[in-house]
Amino acid sequence: DTEVTQTPKHLVMGMTNKKSLKCEQHMGHRAMYWYKQKAKKPPELMFVYSYEKLSINESVPSRFSPECPNSSLLNLHLHALQPEDSALYLCASSHVGETQYFGPGTRLLVL
Amino acid sequence: AQSVAQPEDQVNVAEGNPLTVKCTYSVSGNPYLFWYVQYPNRGLQFLLKYITGDNLVKGSYGFEAEFNKSQTSFHLKKPSALVSDSALYFCAVRASYNQGGKLIFGQGTELSVKP
Repeated sequence: DTEVTQTPKHLVMGMTNKKSLKCEQHMGHRAMYWYKQKAKKPPELMFVYSYEKLSINESVPSRFSPECPNSSLLNLHLHALQPEDSALYLCASSHVGETQYFGPGTRLLVL
Repeated sequence: AQSVAQPEDQVNVAEGNPLTVKCTYSVSGNPYLFWYVQYPNRGLQFLLKYITGDNLVKGSYGFEAEFNKSQTSFHLKKPSALVSDSALYFCAVRASYNQGGKLIFGQGTELSVKP
């Protein structure tokens, strides 16, 4: 089973809203990732968690706040986003240093 | 600096013809190379990877890739294209350990297979 699930599939939010994206995997992977992807562009890495600890933050604005409650779950908390944050947000997981498997993504629209 | 280049934004192929999507890389040390495919409104799907060993790597959906160290290339190939292969293809290299081992993606190549 190489499935990573993400909820919700679509999200529309205003610039003053607070929302969260969720990601789950049951492959025993101990590395989890958040990416942002604009249309027809490569994914841009945002955060990496390794063994439930934040190991990489690619200078992401503080309006994005990641959380890894346990080895299977990864959240991305959103607050006071800007319209330019509208994008497809992808979660991925892997054994540390190994092949990354991606979820289907959450398509976010900020109004 | 480590990087990946996909020199073609778009590749057009007739159904049944062979296809090649090109990728070149620049890394220090041995490269860990990957191909992913993205269908419209979907996440990335892993196709294949090269770590070490045979230069010809076989992957999902009949795709294969040839690692060429002297040309620093890792081109994706398929002997007979299907219309359903139409998608966005990304080549990636794993960065060195001191960069957190993250994936460095090429810009992507849009493959269009016409009947």
